[in-house]
Amino acid sequence: AQSVTQLDSHVSVSEGTPVLLRCNYSSSYSPSLFWYVQHPNKGLQLLLKYTSAATLVKGINGFEAEFKKSETSFHLTKPSAHMSDAAEYFCVVSLSGGYQKVTFGTGTKLQVIP
Amino acid sequence: DTEVTQTPKHLVMGMTNKKSLKCEQHMGHRAMYWYKQKAKKPPELMFVYSYEKLSINESVPSRFSPECPNSSLLNLHLHALQPEDSALYLCASSQDFTFGYTFGSGTRLTVV
Repeated sequence: AQSVTQLDSHVSVSEGTPVLLRCNYSSSYSPSLFWYVQHPNKGLQLLLKYTSAATLVKGINGFEAEFKKSETSFHLTKPSAHMSDAAEYFCVVSLSGGYQKVTFGTGTKLQVIP
Repeated sequence: DTEVTQTPKHLVMGMTNKKSLKCEQHMGHRAMYWYKQKAKKPPELMFVYSYEKLSINESVPSRFSPECPNSSLLNLHLHALQPEDSALYLCASSQDFTFGYTFGSGTRLTVV
């Protein structure tokens, strides 16, 4: 069985400062890992994904994440927050074998203070 | 075309009404999904239509019924809903489970 834990339900940063959203996973097998962003009353948008290639993954809008197997982590970072980054972020783990193996984290709400 | 299109964007319905939500994708994805999302919660999987086979989350009540007319369309028929069914309903598609999902912008459903 797999699980995913987003360690912070709410993160607040000042505009122009770095962003760190933390995600830990548990999986018996090599997972695929994803970060999605959801702006208010919108659908989810894929930011980036790790599928066993390079451990440092670059995504859209300046976000990146590093897969650390030893720490079972897949934290999302951005060097400089922008007001438009304020949204809900979901970490998702997926194992091969079907939709039953897709697990969403509980989400982290990012607030950006001007 | 890299979008999943959902209609309508908003829907208000009474508990005795019958309505349908529509979802369409033209990316050639072989799997389509319906998710339900309550406020401040992650999406919950309701149905999957993958490679012409429908799979159901057994916790979903029978007042929700999916229909897949073809590989590009996935409808969700609603009948005799309850106020607790009010939520954001998201459609998604994927080429493969390891590629991630493309989500639609959702239908905001309110049951009165």
